[in-house]
Amino acid sequence: GAVVSQHPSWVICKSGTSVKIECRSLDFQATTMFWYRQFPKQSLMLMATSNEGSKATYEQGVEKDKFLINHASLTLSTLTVTSAHPEDSSFYICSARGSLRGISYNEQFFGPGTRLTVL
Amino acid sequence: AQKVTQAQTEISVVEKEDVTLDCVYETRDTTYYLFWYKQPPSGELVFLIRRNSFDEQNEISGRYSWNFQKSTSSFNFTITASQVVDSAVYFCALSAVIQGAQKLVFGQGTRLTINP
Repeated sequence: GAVVSQHPSWVICKSGTSVKIECRSLDFQATTMFWYRQFPKQSLMLMATSNEGSKATYEQGVEKDKFLINHASLTLSTLTVTSAHPEDSSFYICSARGSLRGISYNEQFFGPGTRLTVL
Repeated sequence: AQKVTQAQTEISVVEKEDVTLDCVYETRDTTYYLFWYKQPPSGELVFLIRRNSFDEQNEISGRYSWNFQKSTSSFNFTITASQVVDSAVYFCALSAVIQGAQKLVFGQGTRLTINP
């Protein structure tokens, strides 16, 4: 099946620094990637959707300048949390949708998540 | 509205009991997909099932079974003979078109604890 990886799996940083999280589709072409945020004991909330080669579409209430998303290739999307603050501490999960061996799939395949702690 | 409601926030049962997790959805789409995911303490989402809106057949996979009822907009999940390893948060999700894009809408999740 389709495999999505994320790196790093966890990161601790100081307030004010920027953190980059990578999301890779290992064995399929991810035409669309999604970024979610999950606070403790809450559900997944979609932050943004990105199509390869295009600008990301952000959900209402998500700051574009704070959460920079790049989807430059069919296998890689990055989320950069700029000037991170303690309230940005969360579990960030990416997912990918695309085609595998020439077959398009409507479902999303999820990465293992990245736990960000901002001190 | 495109919405998923999991009314049970937490459920706690003793091992070997059967347990049903409820999921009710709202959608204006005529074609849609419903999903169940398991999220163990590690955090990684584990895909359990996908159901097409045109397929109302119930599904069984080992100790897991799913009951899809379009008439009541429900997609309930039952675990029979529960085991401690089933302890996790379970999410029901709806694939729907929102503002012209296909997106997943998640329910609030049900935290299931299986006690030995």
